[in-house]
Amino acid sequence: SQTIHQWPATLVQPVGSPLSLECTVEGTSNPNLYWYRQAAGRGLQLLFYSVGIGQISSEVPQNLSASRPQDRQFILSSKKLLLSDSGFYLCAGKTVGQTNTIYFGEGSWLTVV
Amino acid sequence: AQSVAQPEDQVNVAEGNPLTVKCTYSVSGNPYLFWYVQYPNRGLQFLLKYITGDNLVKGSYGFEAEFNKSQTSFHLKKPSALVSDSALYFCAVRGDSNYQLIWGAGTKLIIKP
Repeated sequence: SQTIHQWPATLVQPVGSPLSLECTVEGTSNPNLYWYRQAAGRGLQLLFYSVGIGQISSEVPQNLSASRPQDRQFILSSKKLLLSDSGFYLCAGKTVGQTNTIYFGEGSWLTVV
Repeated sequence: AQSVAQPEDQVNVAEGNPLTVKCTYSVSGNPYLFWYVQYPNRGLQFLLKYITGDNLVKGSYGFEAEFNKSQTSFHLKKPSALVSDSALYFCAVRGDSNYQLIWGAGTKLIIKP
């Protein structure tokens, strides 16, 4: 089965600074990749998903952007962080197929101060 | 409209007792249903899924879920709860249009010794 690696695990950044969270996938090729944000330890909000290199779909308008420079690499970025960007960010991946399961990374805690 | 509801914000169960975490859904067509568990400060872990076949699905850590088409439900169950089952549980259903998962808000399960 696939394994999702994401880093850093925790990050404290000042307002206005840039952000880069990285995610890589092992054990599958051409996966669908996702970035979620989880607020207050509860609901999941889908931010971006990608079905292939250079193909990014944004689900909600954000101060964030995503890129997929390689098949198994997915990056979440911001040019200037806001306080409201603080949260728990989860990368996930799915082998292509309607019934296949999404697998998650261990998450990245971002605190903007 | 497609949706997932987890009507209980929190469920409290004594260790050794059976547990149920409720989930109802609304999608057109055949539902593909999933349960995930999240331990504190961790990513989500896949527990089980229903695609087709037997209405009773068995998953990881002794959990099972029963698909009920007439009640549009997919409740998560375990015959005997452990303190280590305490976590946040998410139900999800595959959406109709772009096959993205639609997530419930999560149910916090607390198992008391």
